[in-house]
Amino acid sequence: EAGVTQFPSHSVIEKGQTVTLRCDPISGHDNLYWYRRVMGKEIKFLLHFVKESKQDESGMPNNRFLAERTGGTYSTLKVQPAELEDSGVYFCASSQPGAGAGANVLTFGAGSRLTVL
Amino acid sequence: AQSVTQLDSQVPVFEEAPVELRCNYSSSVSVYLFWYVQYPNQGLQLLLKYLSGSTLVKGINGFEAEFNKSQTSFHLRKPSVHISDTAEYFCAVGKYNFNKFYFGSGTKLNVKP
Repeated sequence: EAGVTQFPSHSVIEKGQTVTLRCDPISGHDNLYWYRRVMGKEIKFLLHFVKESKQDESGMPNNRFLAERTGGTYSTLKVQPAELEDSGVYFCASSQPGAGAGANVLTFGAGSRLTVL
Repeated sequence: AQSVTQLDSQVPVFEEAPVELRCNYSSSVSVYLFWYVQYPNQGLQLLLKYLSGSTLVKGINGFEAEFNKSQTSFHLRKPSVHISDTAEYFCAVGKYNFNKFYFGSGTKLNVKP
């Protein structure tokens, strides 16, 4: 089966510009997560979708970040306008629906590295 | 809120030597514990998980971890490492409904020949 796909793998933009990151989860995985890792620090939770609904967005840094998952398939994370401190690696992960054994195994994408100059 | 502490940011070790990567967590409720590995230019891959039952958990690639509730630790061990184990390792904690996972800051394991 195809894994979690993230695009772009690396994006370099200037402060004030807009960037949109995309995540394609594994087909059938209702749970979709966004995480971020700022250089050398822990991987921090941003938000969690169940299908197209935002289950928990408590980790979103501020209103410059907008996540969507229209139709419950792929998700986008838009940063507008980007600031220097937004630089980092953005990971997407997905898991099976429900609370059973499959729901606790996250499958991660390779990440999208964002550099804001 | 949960927190996960990985005490060592980098661990250098010679090939075929044993290794232990340390992880401590803070939580007042039951949690579930995970170790993930990230090889260069790849996503995080699940190594092993503790949900319940035996406190000694065996994972892929010869790794194992032991859940110690009294010390709130979940250290990862391997008796003999290979060059191919060179990667970054992340400890993670999940709450009962798995809606949110908390990760440590990672430990880079560098296996030298």
